[in-house]
Amino acid sequence: DAMVIQNPRYQVTQFGKPVTLSCSQTLNHNVMYWYQQKSSQAPKLLFHYYDKDFNNEADTPDNFQSRRPNTSFCFLDIRSPGLGDAAMYLCATSTRGRGNQPQHFGDGTRLSIL
Amino acid sequence: SQELEQSPQSLIVQEGKNLTINCTSSKTLYGLYWYKQKYGEGLIFLMMLQKGGEEKSHEKITAKLDEKKQQSSLHITASQPSHAGIYLCGADIPPSNTGKLIFGQGTTLQVKP
Repeated sequence: DAMVIQNPRYQVTQFGKPVTLSCSQTLNHNVMYWYQQKSSQAPKLLFHYYDKDFNNEADTPDNFQSRRPNTSFCFLDIRSPGLGDAAMYLCATSTRGRGNQPQHFGDGTRLSIL
Repeated sequence: SQELEQSPQSLIVQEGKNLTINCTSSKTLYGLYWYKQKYGEGLIFLMMLQKGGEEKSHEKITAKLDEKKQQSSLHITASQPSHAGIYLCGADIPPSNTGKLIFGQGTTLQVKP
């Protein structure tokens, strides 16, 4: 089945130690999104790629970066994680150029900071 | 900026009972999406509504968008334990062709056997 896959499901890192989360998709969607979701809160969009074009949200901290080497893969890099960055990180994909389309989500990566 | 308000925040129902979750927008909705999330997992797409007065159903779940396109409801008939989870409404952020969504804070549903 076509899907959005996030690895790992759980990630533990140390305060200040860089960490990378990965997302892959077999849906061949041209848009990929990264969300941060803290406990009991709504998902918050960090940035998205429309094909190769990177779109950062105005309030996304500089500590968060992203790479999309090809259509299928997208990475979230946190350069120096702080305790406040502990959260669930969700990757989603969709198509654009065909009117409103739903986003399809992966199972998320839960990030813990020691 | 647009905001989505969901009510209630949490709901506990007995198995077999019907329930309704509401999602109200501060601005006109151009695309409204309902998702379900189990604790610690990703969001599962349920339904998308676009037109005023539109109604869609899937199994025992019905979603409606009002004529003014500022409020949506999600109705579950004869609830089952498998319906338990967090229900989130999401809306396209104008201009609607950006593909970006904002989400309500979610409604947590528990279904008692």
